[in-house]
Amino acid sequence: KAGVTQTPRYLIKTRGQQVTLSCSPISGHRSVSWYQQTPGQGLQFLFEYFSETQRNKGNFPGRFSGRQFSNSRSEMNVSTLELGDSALYLCASSLGQWETDTQYFGPGTRLTVL
Amino acid sequence: KNQVEQSPQSLIILEGKNCTLQCNYTVSPFSNLRWYKQDTGRGPVSLTIMTFSENTKSNGRYTATLDADTKQSSLHITASQLSDSASYICVLLTGGGNKLTFGTGTQLKVEL
Repeated sequence: KAGVTQTPRYLIKTRGQQVTLSCSPISGHRSVSWYQQTPGQGLQFLFEYFSETQRNKGNFPGRFSGRQFSNSRSEMNVSTLELGDSALYLCASSLGQWETDTQYFGPGTRLTVL
Repeated sequence: KNQVEQSPQSLIILEGKNCTLQCNYTVSPFSNLRWYKQDTGRGPVSLTIMTFSENTKSNGRYTATLDADTKQSSLHITASQLSDSASYICVLLTGGGNKLTFGTGTQLKVEL
């Protein structure tokens, strides 16, 4: 069974631009969650989607948004990029029970904002 | 102050030796506590998931324990291998199951 895939793996943008990251979950998984990882803040939770609906949300500004499609694939969008948005963005998928299911992470997208 | 503190921040051990990583938390109550292993440049991999009512959970050479009274969790690694070199992260699911609080991580290096 293929694992979680994320595209692109690396991305360079400039301040003020916007970016869209993509995540394909493991087949059969309906929950997709997104995380930001930086050396200073560590891992932080962005949001979680299930059946095309955002179920849970972390404490990030509205510039960070996401969506999930009917095939469970998910995208994350960051608008008006800031230097501090440079980070590794990880997505994870699970069968559906956010509270108890094992989450499987993708390799991440490394975003650099210049 | 971080609600989930891990210690030590970094650790170097010899191959074959055992080690124990600590996770102290102040958040309460919580739905479950998870330990993840993250290799450099890769996404985290789930090691164990424990509910607040469980005391121990094992996954091969990894054993996690939970003491709700002292608000501490430990991850014990037995007979360490070079491939155990990674960052280990403790995570609590709180807020009725909709908030994740991540620990600061412990960087483990296993040497020959």
